[in-house]
Amino acid sequence: EDQVTQSPEALRLQEGESSSLNCSYTVSGLRGLFWYRQDPGKGPEFLFTLYSAGEEKEKERLKATLTKKESFLHITAPKPEDSATYLCAVQAGSARQLTFGSGTQLTVLP
Amino acid sequence: GAGVSQSPSNKVTEKGKDVELRCDPISGHTALYWYRQSLGQGLEFLIYFQGNSAPDKSGLPSDRFSAERTGGSVSTLTIQRTQQEDSAVYLCASSLGQPQAFFGQGTRLTVV
Repeated sequence: EDQVTQSPEALRLQEGESSSLNCSYTVSGLRGLFWYRQDPGKGPEFLFTLYSAGEEKEKERLKATLTKKESFLHITAPKPEDSATYLCAVQAGSARQLTFGSGTQLTVLP
Repeated sequence: GAGVSQSPSNKVTEKGKDVELRCDPISGHTALYWYRQSLGQGLEFLIYFQGNSAPDKSGLPSDRFSAERTGGSVSTLTIQRTQQEDSAVYLCASSLGQPQAFFGQGTRLTVV
């Protein structure tokens, strides 16, 4: 069974304090790893897709990286508006749907 | 429309009643997904529609849950004889076929 585990469950940072969120996965035949951002009361918003180990993607203060066992979402010099829950998901085998982790709730304090 | 639209945004129902949740996907999107998100949990896959193909119902938790998609566009998720454990946010997403779909804002279902 495909499993996705995110850590930490919650993270509080001061504005400008860089950090990383972790997503470890156990799947058969990874086809893609996805990062989403979810604000309270909203649906998830797509950020990145990573397909193979060594791949990196960047968007503003966010950079996602992928190894054979885990992915990291690096947040550089975060701002309060980066506060949200960040979700990691995988697509594996012949499945068309994604398997999600339970998310990391990030709070950036001014 | 500009995005995925779900209605109602909130629904409170009594245990044992049936509910219908509606999803209007982005125009032209052939793939439509339903997920469920319980408090503090990740999204749980329910059902997937792709064009005119038979839907993938492998995530539906019981036979009280069903969904249909009419004319390749609007979808309705029906929960019969609701139970308290059905309380969750039900999210719909659509795409042109790729899995990184666009999500609606969800329907928050509360069964009392």
